[in-house]
Amino acid sequence: DTEVTQTPKHLVMGMTNKKSLKCEQHMGHRAMYWYKQKAKKPPELMFVYSYEKLSINESVPSRFSPECPNSSLLNLHLHALQPEDSALYLCASSHIGGTSSYNEQFFGPGTRLTVL
Amino acid sequence: AQSVTQLDSQVPVFEEAPVELRCNYSSSVSVYLFWYVQYPNQGLQLLLKYLSGSTLVKGINGFEAEFNKSQTSFHLRKPSVHISDTAEYFCAVSFKAAGNKLTFGGGTRVLVKP
Repeated sequence: DTEVTQTPKHLVMGMTNKKSLKCEQHMGHRAMYWYKQKAKKPPELMFVYSYEKLSINESVPSRFSPECPNSSLLNLHLHALQPEDSALYLCASSHIGGTSSYNEQFFGPGTRLTVL
Repeated sequence: AQSVTQLDSQVPVFEEAPVELRCNYSSSVSVYLFWYVQYPNQGLQLLLKYLSGSTLVKGINGFEAEFNKSQTSFHLRKPSVHISDTAEYFCAVSFKAAGNKLTFGGGTRVLVKP
């Protein structure tokens, strides 16, 4: 299984709602990533988890709260979002190697989020 | 500062014609280089990568790229495009000793016309 799955595919939420995005992989990867992609822009890294621990937070507002409950799952909890948070949210995963090696990131199809 | 620049934001091309997408990077350390494709309403798919070795890299769907260290470039080419190649293409760089962190270029939209 070389696939990263994301649910839901589409999500519409109001600014007072609480929702969660889910990402799952069964490739044995121990690094998982959340990216945000605005229309016609490249993906921007939000968070990185290594061995289920948060290793990188790219100064993301606290209304985005990541969670890695186990090595296969990655969640992104959303609360009190703003309309400018509307975007495609991509999840990715990879193996973890040494500092002199690179491990390919496998991307999921994304969740398209609209905040009203 | 380390950065990635894709020189063309949009490239229109006729079907069966060749296409070249340009990518330049700026870095004081060694890099790994990638090209990703994103079809409408989809995630990113890796086309090809340069990690080490031969500077000419062949990828999926007939694409190839050449790493030029002196010009800090990694241009993507395809000798004959199809309508199905219409997509957004992203050049990305991972700087060695920076872990797996990817830095993306701004993207190039390829529009293949019949």
